[in-house]
Amino acid sequence: DTGVSQDPRHKITKRGQNVTFRCDPISEHNRLYWYRQTLGQGPEFLTYFQNEAQLEKSRLLSDRFSAERPKGSFSTLEIQRTEQGDSAMYLCASRQEGAGELFFGEGSRLTVL
Amino acid sequence: AQTVTQSQPEMSVQEAETVTLSCTYDTSESDYYLFWYKQPPSRQMILVIRQEAYKQQNATENRFSVNFQKAAKSFSLKISDSQLGDAAMYFCAYFFGTTSGTYKYIFGTGTRLKVLA
Repeated sequence: DTGVSQDPRHKITKRGQNVTFRCDPISEHNRLYWYRQTLGQGPEFLTYFQNEAQLEKSRLLSDRFSAERPKGSFSTLEIQRTEQGDSAMYLCASRQEGAGELFFGEGSRLTVL
Repeated sequence: AQTVTQSQPEMSVQEAETVTLSCTYDTSESDYYLFWYKQPPSRQMILVIRQEAYKQQNATENRFSVNFQKAAKSFSLKISDSQLGDAAMYFCAYFFGTTSGTYKYIFGTGTRLKVLA
């Protein structure tokens, strides 16, 4: 078990470009979460998957953001037409069914110039 | 709405000493979980300790223990015999099930712990 992995670890892009982040959760975990974290703040919930179904999206997630989890395995988070305010660390986490520990990836840091 | 408040943006502790990090939360639920997570610099967040709301006994994990006061909605973390490796951001988190059947975590803003040699 290699834990939750995220790719890329760091992305620098120009305003207006599209970016996509990938998360590979722990294989037996059917719950997957995306969070956004800015400097000095705690993680803010973006969206949640149970298997391949996206069950909840935060109001923070504008129309420019889309997330998928095809086949209930890896997940992608795409940001279209990036803005400077999108600069943040994007964290992926997964857990098993039942109330339990969230396992986090190391995050994907986005810098929008 | 559920909220989690960490009122100490930063704390310092001398190596080998004890420090307590504070967390309060607001909820109308009776069944939930509380967690403390540690985020070392440039590293992933890891679980430190968890507490089930239905358990009266405070959780303990080696040098880490909590003081869970359900009526006061308080959940503090005590770190005993502090070590240099304890230096990190610490986040308090509240986990609950929603009426729509999903499960959510709400995180506090964090407390940065510095350990002085």
